[in-house]
Amino acid sequence: QVQLVQSGAEVKKPGASVKVSCKASGYTFSHYGITWVRQAPGQGLEWMGWISANNGNTNYGQKVQDRVTMTTDTSTSTAYMELRSLRSDDTAVYYCARGGVTTSLDSWGQGTLVTVSS
Amino acid sequence: QTVVTQEPSLTVSPGGTVTLTCASSAGAVTSGHYPNWFQQKPGQPPRSLIFGTTNKYSWTPARFSASLLGGKAALTLSRVQPEDEADYYCLIYYGGAGIFGTGTKVTVL
Repeated sequence: QVQLVQSGAEVKKPGASVKVSCKASGYTFSHYGITWVRQAPGQGLEWMGWISANNGNTNYGQKVQDRVTMTTDTSTSTAYMELRSLRSDDTAVYYCARGGVTTSLDSWGQGTLVTVSS
Repeated sequence: QTVVTQEPSLTVSPGGTVTLTCASSAGAVTSGHYPNWFQQKPGQPPRSLIFGTTNKYSWTPARFSASLLGGKAALTLSRVQPEDEADYYCLIYYGGAGIFGTGTKVTVL
């Protein structure tokens, strides 16, 4: 069965970077994109961006586009989301999901809590 | 910047029907925006319910249906059950980028 397993919780200081991983199994990794979504405490969902695991093409959300980089490693079926210059309002649970723009998002990772605090 | 708006909260009786809508500040929502709907319960990741305006997943309850209604995307929950109490989010796409709706908290009372 399709499974996305994310890396563990992180605590970072303002200005630092964080890199969250999302390891996929149960399907051919390069056949699907990976979408990243985050959710601040008590808030709604925010679409961060998408990466094609086939060719590495990306599309980022406006709010994070200057600070985020999404990559994939097809040899390990793992997607990564790196966010730089962290601020307190980046504190959120970060989710990966299988699928991309105008395709279904049918499987989700368990989420990774990133806390930004001095 | 485009804002996608949903009803903040809706209350429905068990066995009743409720319709959630998803409106865009950029104009009418169409099938070209590829509306998706998600359900989220506290402490859990979102669960996908609908993709491509009306398409269901194998796990989507048959009593859930989606459509376009008056320039908005809509999700109708019929024969509502207590386990349907959750937050619901729509997601639409503009120029290759997604925008989530503000979310609707559905209370079954």
